[in-house]
Order: sequence, then C-alpha cells, then structure tokens
Amino acid sequence: DTAVSQTPKYLVTQMGNDKSIKCEQNLGHDTMYWYKQDSKKFLKIMFSYNNKELIINETVPNRFSPKSPDKAHLNLHINSLELGDSAVYFCASSQDLGRPASRFTEAFFGQGTRLTVV
Amino acid sequence: LAKTTQPISMDSYEGQEVNITCSHNNIATNDYITWYQQFPSQGPRFIIQGYKTKVTNEVASLFIPADRKSSTLSLPRVSLSDTAVYYCLVGARMSYNQGGKLIFGQGTELSVKP
Repeated sequence: DTAVSQTPKYLVTQMGNDKSIKCEQNLGHDTMYWYKQDSKKFLKIMFSYNNKELIINETVPNRFSPKSPDKAHLNLHINSLELGDSAVYFCASSQDLGRPASRFTEAFFGQGTRLTVV
Repeated sequence: LAKTTQPISMDSYEGQEVNITCSHNNIATNDYITWYQQFPSQGPRFIIQGYKTKVTNEVASLFIPADRKSSTLSLPRVSLSDTAVYYCLVGARMSYNQGGKLIFGQGTELSVKP
C-alpha cells in the first residue's frame, strides 16, 4: 500500500491552462509538503501544511495554490501554466514531533508528477 | 539553515565501500544531519540521521566528527542498485508546529559500475 501517492504521474499541457495535482498520505502524518525539482535536479520546497494550516510558503507565484481539505490530502492547483513550470513536483509528509528545536522527522515522498508545459 | 557542500559526482564499482563527505561549516548547535537517497524517477528516501559520533542502520553508517563541521555517509559493499543521488541536509525545526523545512543541496550523483 503506497504511503504517499500522487496523481497524475505524468501531465502534459499547454501554456495558459489550469491543472491540479493530487496528493494523499495514509501514514497519519500531521505535516505535508510540496517540492519542485527542476531539470538540474535541485529540490526546492514550495509549501508546507501542518494539520491543514499553511506553515511555509516559499515565495511561490500566486498562480500556485495548495489546498488541504484534511490532513491526509494536499492538492496543488496551478493557474495559467507557463513553460517555466515544467518540472517534477513531489508531495511529501512527515510526523510533527511537537517539540521546539527538535530533529527533523523522516519525510516520506511520493513518486512525483512530471509536468511538461508546451 | 546551514549550507552544505558535497561532491557533485562519484564513481565506484560493485562490492566497494563508498564514502561521501559533506561539509557544513556553519552547523548550529541544534542542527541534525540527515541523508536522503533519490533513485531516477522516484522521490527522495530517508537513509540515516545523526547528531554526533557514529550512527549505523541496515543501509548505511554516518560518521560525524567532534566539531560536526562535516559528516561522511558510508555505504558498505555497494551494488548497481545503489546508483542514485545522495543528499546531505543539515537543520532543525525552530519552533513548535513549524514543520520540517528540508533544504536540499545539489547532491552527489553516485554511479556504481559492474
């Protein structure tokens, strides 16, 4: 049973379109994330949600809008897609330890969604 | 969060031990050192985490000297399936419910040859 699952795995779309990527985790984790990996393999965090509340928003264009209907789901909606949005998008989750200045817990990543904007 | 520096690529042969060193000169007292592995077309996968000295699990060992300004991931007897990108991350959560802001560097692309 997949711990963190994303759909779709591949997404090819035209510039200007609006698309969504869905993510679900069955690990009971409190925190979910979206990461973007570009063609040079750099992984950059985009958003982090804790119990449906937005915690981190890393200077991402407001064309990107995450939505967390419950703590097991974090979807990413992208409006007016641009060529530069082409990348692999990873969803991840981890369990918040609830203590300040504590170690990072293990993050579980999905398989990724390869978005190609043409 | 402390910046990390690691070799861009490494080559090895099956059966060899591979050591990947990561420099993190500005590591803070609260920071932990974590390594992730990423296979092609997959998401990163947690390998090991440590704070000081040595940590070992079924996959790898992590050596951290006393000054903690560097760390070495050791993979014993690598096989072809260990070909992947290995990321060294350094950091800590700074406040309750902040959520882990993992900062990935460039990573080390390990190529294991027969």
